[in-house]
Amino acid sequence: LAKTTQPISMDSYEGQEVNITCSHNNIATNDYITWYQQFPSQGPRFIIQGYKTKVTNEVASLFIPADRKSSTLSLPRVSLSDTAVYYCLVGLPNTGFQKLVFGTGTRLLVSP
Amino acid sequence: GAVVSQHPSRVICKSGTSVKIECRSLDFQATTMFWYRQFPKQSLMLMATSNEGSKATYEQGVEKDKFLINHASLTLSTLTVTSAHPEDSSFYICSASDRASNQPQHFGDGTRLSIL
Repeated sequence: LAKTTQPISMDSYEGQEVNITCSHNNIATNDYITWYQQFPSQGPRFIIQGYKTKVTNEVASLFIPADRKSSTLSLPRVSLSDTAVYYCLVGLPNTGFQKLVFGTGTRLLVSP
Repeated sequence: GAVVSQHPSRVICKSGTSVKIECRSLDFQATTMFWYRQFPKQSLMLMATSNEGSKATYEQGVEKDKFLINHASLTLSTLTVTSAHPEDSSFYICSASDRASNQPQHFGDGTRLSIL
């Protein structure tokens, strides 16, 4: 399983765009990139998953360059409720039977 | 969407007690479920993979006799922490996925275990 590296923490203010970058230099050809969000005392929640270029859903965008050695999770106009830990994972898609290896994650603090 | 439920959400008990935690997939069948442990300010650490109808697969360093896993049906896996001690106090989280729908794993909301 490819190892991921993320910043330990980030600070932002309400209404700003937040970009969290994840490095995964050893990503395999068949690997996808998945991001999870975790609030205190809750289980992680799936945010977005992608393979290349750009993926967008109702909560975030995921940018993946051509070499796929990194990816950036973009949260538009964050609010206080976006304060959480964000995990970047790399592995096969449709991970119903694949164990997930969580890295350190990025602790995002959004202030008023 | 797929929902995974854990019970109880919080347990406080005396040292030496065995504690059972349930993980249920509410609207799908899960042949595989995963159990994680998370200490404060740390990331999730996979403990074991629970397979319906067969023995669980434990990660290196996780004592199988200490953390008993049973996956007797397609919607329920249980983790029993036997003879729990204060160092077993942690946040235990399960996850599961509906393989038929090719969805990413969904996580339960965790169980906060406190051993006095």
